[in-house]
Amino acid sequence: GQNIDQPTEMTATEGAIVQINCTYQTSGFNGLFWYQQHAGEAPTFLSYNVLDGLEEKGRFSSFLSRSKGYSYLLLKELQMKDSASYLCAVRGLTGGGNKLTFGTGTQLKVEL
Amino acid sequence: GAVVSQHPSRVICKSGTSVKIECRSLDFQATTMFWYRQFPKKSLMLMATSNEGSKATYEQGVEKDKFLINHASLTLSTLTVTSAHPEDSSFYICSAASGGRAGVYGYTFGSGTRLTVV
Repeated sequence: GQNIDQPTEMTATEGAIVQINCTYQTSGFNGLFWYQQHAGEAPTFLSYNVLDGLEEKGRFSSFLSRSKGYSYLLLKELQMKDSASYLCAVRGLTGGGNKLTFGTGTQLKVEL
Repeated sequence: GAVVSQHPSRVICKSGTSVKIECRSLDFQATTMFWYRQFPKKSLMLMATSNEGSKATYEQGVEKDKFLINHASLTLSTLTVTSAHPEDSSFYICSAASGGRAGVYGYTFGSGTRLTVV
């Protein structure tokens, strides 16, 4: 099975940098995704990692260490509109090769 | 880009009635469709995986007779909540995958359906 953990809530200041961590335990691994979700809306894709290292995409970066079962999402130059829930999701190799299992989600609040 | 249309976006129904939610892939063929439910301030919980032309695979603890999934074509999957109860009130989201690149890295989400059972 898969167990994916994230902090429940985080608060940061506009213009700052925030790092949201995700740890996972899985019997199979075929990629890790980060999504942003505003209340009442569908998740929006942010990033994808399948190999170790950092993927950078504008203000957002994501890091993966497969040996440690660890990823983080880094948000730079925070804006008020970044207040949302951030979901880490792992694609597993077992029990359905392309099934996504979502983490608990981190509610980020950006303050002035 | 790949689009999944989910309807209705909101529905209110009476206890005991059934509600059907549709997800259509508009510009690609979705060989696999995933159905999730989400409670307020919680993450997405996978309910079932459906493959076109075959029976859905349900996650542990999900009642297959209550949440009927049909994936009769490569562009349409439906979730029917039968004999709805207030505890079925939730946000339901579908996600489509295909053998090709449907959406980003293979997943495209519908816009979600807010179900309220009164």
